[in-house]
Amino acid sequence: SAVISQKPSRDICQRGTSLTIQCQVDSQVTMMFWYRQQPGQSLTLIATANQGSEATYESGFVIDKFPISRPNLTFSTLTVSNMSPEDSSIYLCSVEDLARVEQFFGPGTRLTVL
Amino acid sequence: DAKTTQPTSMDCAEGRAANLPCNHSTISGNEYVYWYRQIHSQGPQYIIHGLKNNETNEMASLIITEDRKSSTLILPHATLRDTAVYYCIALRSFGNEKLTFGTGTRLTIIP
Repeated sequence: SAVISQKPSRDICQRGTSLTIQCQVDSQVTMMFWYRQQPGQSLTLIATANQGSEATYESGFVIDKFPISRPNLTFSTLTVSNMSPEDSSIYLCSVEDLARVEQFFGPGTRLTVL
Repeated sequence: DAKTTQPTSMDCAEGRAANLPCNHSTISGNEYVYWYRQIHSQGPQYIIHGLKNNETNEMASLIITEDRKSSTLILPHATLRDTAVYYCIALRSFGNEKLTFGTGTRLTIIP
């Protein structure tokens, strides 16, 4: 199975600032995803990060608010821009390994915005 | 993707079998049934998946009805570490679709 690490594991940020979350995978993968999990809620897909092309955003999420980079097949970043308390959530990176027909999840980044 | 329906919560005594139901009455013939779980403060974890045959692995068994309109995830000997939210998801295939989570079933294992 793919091993996924995320940095930071948690952070407390001030309103109006931005935070970049890193996702590192121990093997090359084709597709990477970013999810958000608001307190007490299920996971919601933010976007699909594709290497060599722009990320594809789900309805309700825009690039200006959640810019994503995917410089290679093992790494991606998600930036939460101009944060407000409503952005307080757990942000999870996920990867899809077509060879194994599974989707793996990282441990998540717990973000609190004051 | 077909919509799935699960009970909001369930309790199970430690050491007993936990049976988690899932309804997917609109599932299409090429959609698999996937089960994931999320233990508190962790990322979701894959458990098992199947198309129409029953499946078993080291974690659980998956029983799919003959008409494929419902399924049951079975944890044969539940432990306290099995306390988690369990998600049942219908998906044709990775690569073309994205994993979409519903509200799941919150399973509590009682000592």
